[in-house]
Amino acid sequence: GAGVSQSPSNKVTEKGKDVELRCDPISGHTALYWYRQSLGQGLEFLIYFQGNSAPDKSGLPSDRFSAERTGGSVSTLTIQRTQQEDSAVYLCASSSDRRFEKLFFGSGTQLSVL
Amino acid sequence: GIQVEQSPPDLILQEGANSTLRCNFSDSVNNLQWFHQNPWGQLINLFYIPSGTKQNGRLSATTVATERYSLLYISSSQTTDSGVYFCAASYNYGQNFVFGPGTRLSVLP
Repeated sequence: GAGVSQSPSNKVTEKGKDVELRCDPISGHTALYWYRQSLGQGLEFLIYFQGNSAPDKSGLPSDRFSAERTGGSVSTLTIQRTQQEDSAVYLCASSSDRRFEKLFFGSGTQLSVL
Repeated sequence: GIQVEQSPPDLILQEGANSTLRCNFSDSVNNLQWFHQNPWGQLINLFYIPSGTKQNGRLSATTVATERYSLLYISSSQTTDSGVYFCAASYNYGQNFVFGPGTRLSVLP
């Protein structure tokens, strides 16, 4: 597609439920990143996929968080047993595998856990 | 890992004024980028600038990699420049980006 696409744009869920957030990167981009941004705060790194390499999961805050990337394209971030502190905007970004390429962000998913 | 700092944290300008935003990073980086997050939350990539100087309209950026800082210049500011400016650094190709805390810019009409 023309840009990074994320869905849903907004998600309201109850505490304890599982949620799935989707990211469709720019066509041909092999690098994909997930970040989290709490209200008024900076960007917190979650996970990074690069081609067929093992993902860098070092930013995932707990074992309730997981992500996968199928076929080297679409990625899904799953949060199990959601907590109120999980409320944030979840941002996805992609870039090409060439060395000097910019990072492009989607519009994010606003997650609200009640 | 890399530490990224930005200053000032907040900046209020009158329309037409110029400003300089600073980004300091703790280690050698191979990738340094500047972003603008508009009031609706969308992050727009302004510059890829691991070293040297680039210009794009009223915006320009300079990175001095040996001294571990980057500067973003905004000239003749407009109200549409309001938002948060982030710099992000990556230590090496194939590694994740670390974002600074941002500079919140408000341009008043």
